[in-house]
Amino acid sequence: DGGITQSPKYLFRKEGQNVTLSCEQNLNHDAMYWYRQDPGQGLRLIYYSQIVNDFQKGDIAEGYSVSREKKESFPLTVTSAQKNPTAFYLCASRLAGASDTQYFGPGTRLTVL
Amino acid sequence: AQSVTQPDIHITVSEGASLELRCNYSYGATPYLFWYVQSPGQGLQLLLKYFSGDTLVQGIKGFEAEFKRSQSSFNLRKPSVHWSDAAEYFCAVMYNNNDMRFGAGTRLTVKP
Repeated sequence: DGGITQSPKYLFRKEGQNVTLSCEQNLNHDAMYWYRQDPGQGLRLIYYSQIVNDFQKGDIAEGYSVSREKKESFPLTVTSAQKNPTAFYLCASRLAGASDTQYFGPGTRLTVL
Repeated sequence: AQSVTQPDIHITVSEGASLELRCNYSYGATPYLFWYVQSPGQGLQLLLKYFSGDTLVQGIKGFEAEFKRSQSSFNLRKPSVHWSDAAEYFCAVMYNNNDMRFGAGTRLTVKP
């Protein structure tokens, strides 16, 4: 089955700890994205990557870091510098064309205690 | 600045009634337009999209949306709502190849 997987579904961490969220896709998509979702605010872009070994900051990149060492994988690290890390995190991917649809993974809910 | 507005935070409709969810965007040119649906704790599923051509687009689950350039709108409609349609709906606009903006979402409740 082709798709986007995010693991784990739920993640709990203590304040001050870094945590890495996994995102893998087997759709052979070029571009990958990380969004943060908070109630009543829709989705906000954290980082995106159009090709391997390259990524760009989105609107709310502060306190987050990413890597894109493989086409299939785009892990997101939530660092201790992120002031309000508790949220629902969504990974997405798409082909590189302007009219290509963005597909989403099932999401990871991160709770920082 | 580009923005997407969904004026209705929460809508309640009776099962079998018609539905219209509103979406307005700000942009000088015609963007690419999308509607997604999200069930609680899940990812987003694409309902339909508009890139060009016929301004009335059909999607999955019996949904359709109409692009109106003069009103900068892309409203989502369904003639008869089912209880399983209860979810959160997001309008999204792709302004260039990687700048996708989402509305804040509209939560749909379906009364029996």
